Amino acid sequence: SQTIHQWPATLVQPVGSPLSLECTVEGTSNPNLYWYRQAAGRGLQLLFYSVGIGQISSEVPQNLSASRPQDRQFILSSKKLLLSDSGFYLCAWKGDDLAKNIQYFGAGTRLSVL
Amino acid sequence: AQKITQTQPGMFVQEKEAVTLDCTYDTSDQSYGLFWYKQPSSGEMIFLIYQGSYDEQNATEGRYSLNFQKARKSANLVISASQLGDSAMYFCAMREWGSSNTGKLIFGQGTTLQVKP
Repeated sequence: SQTIHQWPATLVQPVGSPLSLECTVEGTSNPNLYWYRQAAGRGLQLLFYSVGIGQISSEVPQNLSASRPQDRQFILSSKKLLLSDSGFYLCAWKGDDLAKNIQYFGAGTRLSVL
Repeated sequence: AQKITQTQPGMFVQEKEAVTLDCTYDTSDQSYGLFWYKQPSSGEMIFLIYQGSYDEQNATEGRYSLNFQKARKSANLVISASQLGDSAMYFCAMREWGSSNTGKLIFGQGTTLQVKP
């Protein structure tokens, strides 16, 4: 069965420090992968998505970047964090049912920038 | 532009009763998919139910059913026989057919459901 892993679960970083969040998927190949951010008590905002290795599409201009160095690995990065980067970050993959395109999510990373 | 609207920021329901969470959507596309997700306090987004725009019957998954009214552009989630574990935030989401390859979803702002014992 397919599983998705995100780490770390919680992160507290000072302003101006770098960031690297990792997401990996098991049990499937060449999945579409997504990074979302959720502000407290709000809906999800799509940040990046990837349809294959090295293919990254950005949905909103921001201080973050994404990379997909391997088929089942998706990384969210920043060179210098801002206070506004605080939030809950969720990674997702698109399931194999092409008719439904259901996205399945990881457990998320809570990032606090201080 | 596509948009999802959830007008109920918070809802209360008595344990064992049914509850309806509202969702309306706006799209100019004829082909699209609608989704409901549950987010407990732990934060993980859990897929609940899917409805395709061409599906003639309302989707059901156990205690969850989707009341799909295409002409009204509404896709309300009905939870029957509420349980304490149903207390969570619920999100409605939509995917347009044009994004079927990318699978991009648009989410509503969510509804917080609290089940009272």
